[in-house]
Formats: sequence, C-alpha cells, structure tokens
Amino acid sequence: GAVVSQHPSRVICKSGTSVKIECRSLDFQATTMFWYRQFPKQSLMLMATSNEGSKATYEQGVEKDKFLINHASLTLSTLTVTSAHPEDSSFYICSARRTGIDSPLHFGNGTRLTVT
Amino acid sequence: AQKITQTQPGMFVQEKEAVTLDCTYDTSDPSYGLFWYKQPSSGEMIFLIYQGSYDQQNATEGRYSLNFQKARKSANLVISASQLGDSAMYFCAMKTGANNLFFGTGTRLTVIP
Repeated sequence: GAVVSQHPSRVICKSGTSVKIECRSLDFQATTMFWYRQFPKQSLMLMATSNEGSKATYEQGVEKDKFLINHASLTLSTLTVTSAHPEDSSFYICSARRTGIDSPLHFGNGTRLTVT
Repeated sequence: AQKITQTQPGMFVQEKEAVTLDCTYDTSDPSYGLFWYKQPSSGEMIFLIYQGSYDQQNATEGRYSLNFQKARKSANLVISASQLGDSAMYFCAMKTGANNLFFGTGTRLTVIP
C-alpha cells in the first residue's frame, strides 16, 4: 500500500533557529501534499496545501513567511519552521494522495517539534 | 461552509463488544466523501474506511462499517468485536470539491479488557 514517510519524528531546537521537516511519498507520485498541525487533545488543523512546482496555498491565519513549504518534486514536500518559538511546539503531520479524486489521504507518522 | 462534528470526546467499550462512534457533517456540496481515520498514540494517521455521497450501500472494511444516513447527514463508524489495539483517537473527515479534508475534533476510544 501507499506509504508516506515523514522525517524527523522528533526534533528539539532552540528558540530562534529553523527546523525542516520532510514528507516523502514512497511508492506513488503525489502532486498534492498537505501539512497539518495538531495541538494537544485537539483535532488536526490544515495549515497549507503543497502543490508540486507551484506556491503552496496557506489557510487563513497561517504565516507563510514562518512556515515555508517547498514541493520540489512529485515525491517530496518540506515544511520549514523559521525562527522557531516555544509556541510553535506542536505535532506536525503531512499527508499525500495518489491521483484520483476518491483516493484517501495517506499520512506520515508526524513530527513532534519542541522549541526550548 | 463545511463542518464535521464529533460529539463524543471519549468512549469506552468492553473488549469483544461493538461500539459506534458518531459523526455528523454539514455541506451544501452534493458531491462529497467521508473518511474515518485512526490515530494511535504514536501519532500516525491510519485510513480506515471511505463512503462516497452517491454510494448506495454502506461501506464496510473488515471489522469497520460506516452507518451512512444521508438525510440525517451522519456517518457513524461501527467497530465490531473490539480489540485492545483499537484504543486510539478516531477522526471523521469530509472532502468536498476542494482537495483538502475537514476533520472533526476526534473521539478517544478506550477498549477495556
């Protein structure tokens, strides 16, 4: 079945530094990938839609200069949290879908970011 | 506007019993898809089952079935013969014309031995 790999699974960084999270579709091409953020005990909130070869579409309230998304190939999307602050600490998860309107999303295992 | 509602923040079920997790939705789009995902403590999201708005029959996948009541706009997940490994967060989600999914707030299921 489809597999989405997300790396790293956990990262601790100091305030003010930047962190890059990778999301790869391992056995299919994903023209569209999605980035979510999950707060403790809350649902997943869509942050942005990443389209291969074009700019990402950000949801309202998400700072595009802070959460840089790059979808350079059909199998890789990256999320860079720039100048991280403690309030950016969260669980970030990506997903990707095969071509086909009814294909389910396949999710990565998520990245636990802790900013100290 | 699209909206997904899961009114049960937590549910308990005895091992080997069946359990129903509620999900209601709201959309004006006649074409939509409904999904259920399982999120164990590890954080990954596992796709469980899908129901299209035009599907005539309720979807089933192994021990999972979706009780789709279109007129009531509900898409409840039924898990039969619960197992300890079923303990997790369960999210209902809906996709309409856009590419993304709208998620509910989730239900934490605990299976009791």
